[in-house]
Amino acid sequence: QVQLVQSGAEVKRPGASVKVSCKASGYTFSSFYMHWVRQAPGQGLEWMGIINPRGGSTAYAQKFQGRLTLTTDTSTSTVYMELSSLTSEDTAVYYCGRTYIVEVPAAPNYWGQGTLVTVSS
Amino acid sequence: DIQMTQSPSTLSASVGDRVTITCRASQSISSWLAWYQQKPGKAPNLLIYKSSTLESGVSSRFSGSRSGTEFTLTISSLQPDDSATYYCHQFHSYPFTFGPGTKVDIK
Repeated sequence: QVQLVQSGAEVKRPGASVKVSCKASGYTFSSFYMHWVRQAPGQGLEWMGIINPRGGSTAYAQKFQGRLTLTTDTSTSTVYMELSSLTSEDTAVYYCGRTYIVEVPAAPNYWGQGTLVTVSS
Repeated sequence: DIQMTQSPSTLSASVGDRVTITCRASQSISSWLAWYQQKPGKAPNLLIYKSSTLESGVSSRFSGSRSGTEFTLTISSLQPDDSATYYCHQFHSYPFTFGPGTKVDIK
């Protein structure tokens, strides 16, 4: 069965960077795009970006351009989300999500459990 | 960027009611729209993709439709377990975007 397991909660100081991992299993890793979506406390879902594990091509929301980096490690079927220059506005639960169909950037249907990132001085 | 709006922002309905949530895109997204249900503390759950295709395992009480750039999620007979926030999501063009959500309460 498809599983996405994310790394644990993080507490960071303003100005720092955070790197969250999403380890996939139960399917052919390179065949499905992976999204990252975040949700600030009490707020809605915010799309951050997407990566194609086959080749590593990415697309990011303009809001995160320059401080968001998505990468993959195909040897461990893991996707990474790194966000730099953190502020309190980045406090949120971060989710990875796998697309519902192979080889196209479609909507996610499998999700990680979420990783809480808290930015506080 | 394609902006997604949803209405209403909240609704309260009784068990057995027919409930409709509307999502509008700021430009054409063809049928590249999904609907999600999210409960507190949980990841979103895909209900509908490509505007009207029911995700495997999702109750047939949920259905989706499209008219131009207006999309509708219908719950045919509201159940207590349907209490949640519902989001639309366009995956037509980057950057993908979500609607602001509709919170559904049971009276």
